[in-house]
Amino acid sequence: AQSVTQLDSHVSVSEGTPVLLRCNYSSSYSPSLFWYVQHPNKGLQLLLKYTSAATLVKGINGFEAEFKKSETSFHLTKPSAHMSDAAEYFCVVSDWDFGNEKLTFGTGTRLTIIP
Amino acid sequence: GAVVSQHPSRVICKSGTSVKIECRSLDFQATTMFWYRQFPKQSLMLMATSNEGSKATYEQGVEKDKFLINHASLTLSTLTVTSAHPEDSSFYICSSGLSETQYFGPGTRLLVL
Repeated sequence: AQSVTQLDSHVSVSEGTPVLLRCNYSSSYSPSLFWYVQHPNKGLQLLLKYTSAATLVKGINGFEAEFKKSETSFHLTKPSAHMSDAAEYFCVVSDWDFGNEKLTFGTGTRLTIIP
Repeated sequence: GAVVSQHPSRVICKSGTSVKIECRSLDFQATTMFWYRQFPKQSLMLMATSNEGSKATYEQGVEKDKFLINHASLTLSTLTVTSAHPEDSSFYICSSGLSETQYFGPGTRLLVL
């Protein structure tokens, strides 16, 4: 069985400072990992994904994440936060179960940007 | 990336009525679509997997007779909430996969009075 743990339910950073959103996962196989962002009353937008290629993945809006198998982590970072980054972020692991894709969502991290 | 749309974006209905939500893949064909429910300040909960031309697969605890899913074409899946009650009020989101990535619709906010 796979699982995802987002270690912080809420993160606050000042505008212009670095962002770190933490995610740990467990999976029986080689998983695919994703970060999605959700703005209020909106659907989920893909930020980036890891699918067993390069371990450092670059996404949209300056975000990136590093897959560390030894630590079973996939933390999301951004060098400099912008006000528009304020949103809910979900770490997601994808696995295949009897031929069916199964997504497991983390509980989400709410990112607040302080002006 | 691929685009998934939902209609309507929000709907208000009276208790006891039925509501249909559409999920469309706009620029790709979707053999499989997923339906999720999201409560305020919580993560997404998978309700069912919609398969084109066959019956949907429901997650444990989801009433298939209450949440009717139809996937009649490769670009359209519908979720009908039958005899809606206030406890069905929620944010419903669909998704479909392309190139090992799930793309999500913008969601439908359902309020049952």
